[in-house]
Amino acid sequence: DVKVTQSSRYLVKRTGEKVFLECVQDMDHENMFWYRQDPGLGLRLIYFSYDVKMKEKGDIPEGYSVSREKKERFSLILESASTNQTSMYLCASTGTSGRARTQYFGPGTRLTVL
Amino acid sequence: GDSVTQMEGPVTLSEEAFLTINCTYTATGYPSLFWYVQYPGEGLQLLLKATKADDKGSNKGFEATYRKETTSFHLEKGSVQVSDSAVYFCALTRGGGSEKLVFGKGTKLTVNP
Repeated sequence: DVKVTQSSRYLVKRTGEKVFLECVQDMDHENMFWYRQDPGLGLRLIYFSYDVKMKEKGDIPEGYSVSREKKERFSLILESASTNQTSMYLCASTGTSGRARTQYFGPGTRLTVL
Repeated sequence: GDSVTQMEGPVTLSEEAFLTINCTYTATGYPSLFWYVQYPGEGLQLLLKATKADDKGSNKGFEATYRKETTSFHLEKGSVQVSDSAVYFCALTRGGGSEKLVFGKGTKLTVNP
């Protein structure tokens, strides 16, 4: 079974702190994604990575950066956390073979910024 | 741009009732369509998918048919169970062979015994 793990289920940080959210997948997938999920807004794509050291902005990249130094690991960085970044963060991965490739999701990290 | 519109929730049903969650889309080209489900406290998981017009995706008693003429992909189940209580998301692939998905806002389903 594909497994996508996220470093924390719950995280509480203070405004202005630098925050790292880690995601690891064990299926040798090329593509990895970071989303945020907010009530009434669904899932919105923050960043996408299609290979090691390669990244592409999603729909809401402002205030975020990412790092992908190894194929299995994709990190989301909040350079200076703000209260409007309080949200559920979901990581996903997918391979490159076949059509309509399934995205596999981690359990999510609920981040609260005080 | 590409977009997905799904019915607003929440939806509350009694066990064994019939379920329909409407989903319509706007897209260029020929997207693939998906339904994902999120159980309480978990991430999303794929429920079913369809890759071309008139395809029917099915899984766990749920079904959805890719209707190009009405740009729809409605989710149905004949008899829901309490364990089906979850949030359901309709999604499509973005154009140009992209790996990226566009999600609807989600519909929360509660099934009462």
